[in-house]
Amino acid sequence: SSELTQDPAVSVALGQTVRITCQGDSLRSYYASWYQQKPGQAPVLVIYGKNNRPSGIPDRFSGSSSGNTASLTITGAQAEDEADYYCNSRDSSGNHRPVFGGGTKLTVL
Amino acid sequence: QVQLVESGGGLVKPGGSLRLSCAASGFTFSDYYMSWIRQAPGKGLEWVSYISSSGSTIYYADSVKGRFTISRDNAKNSLYLQMNSLRAEDTAVYYCARDLGQGVYYFDYWGQGTLVTVSS
Repeated sequence: SSELTQDPAVSVALGQTVRITCQGDSLRSYYASWYQQKPGQAPVLVIYGKNNRPSGIPDRFSGSSSGNTASLTITGAQAEDEADYYCNSRDSSGNHRPVFGGGTKLTVL
Repeated sequence: QVQLVESGGGLVKPGGSLRLSCAASGFTFSDYYMSWIRQAPGKGLEWVSYISSSGSTIYYADSVKGRFTISRDNAKNSLYLQMNSLRAEDTAVYYCARDLGQGVYYFDYWGQGTLVTVSS
């Protein structure tokens, strides 16, 4: 079982805003990073740190954090945003190893 | 441009061994921490192992500790994963990934993955 908890599936209407969440004790101390994965492809980093986007990631992707919850927000979701999204941070056991959330399947309606 | 290319996957019997390689290009490999991350068919991502830029610091997931060995050759811009005593549950696509910083665990570049199938 993952120490980071994500909703298995979320849907959003085209052009609307969607928030994908990730919960875990380690998020009180460490920022999450977020990855987008489309079928048959490697994951792509979309958000890291407080709210940083790698080059080439559209500005409709943003990140935030409060308490034990990290969030990835897509403002104005596009059809090409339909994918699996994974959060990542450190585990909460004290050994600081990285851990991934179970993933959220985003469907754009 | 940054490229990571994995190789070495294949079909292996339970208890067997396999060595994965990851060839890096387009950046100064010796400056970056690297990880192996795997994904079982239809499942989520699982971090496997991590090695610092010099190779002096290494971590493993509990699920592979004692069976897998990560290493790197900075002169050859290559990352390796020696996998021994393989089990059916090790079946997965294995990705090598670059850490954006010094062990911050933000993986900014990933290879295309190599499939390891453990089956009799």
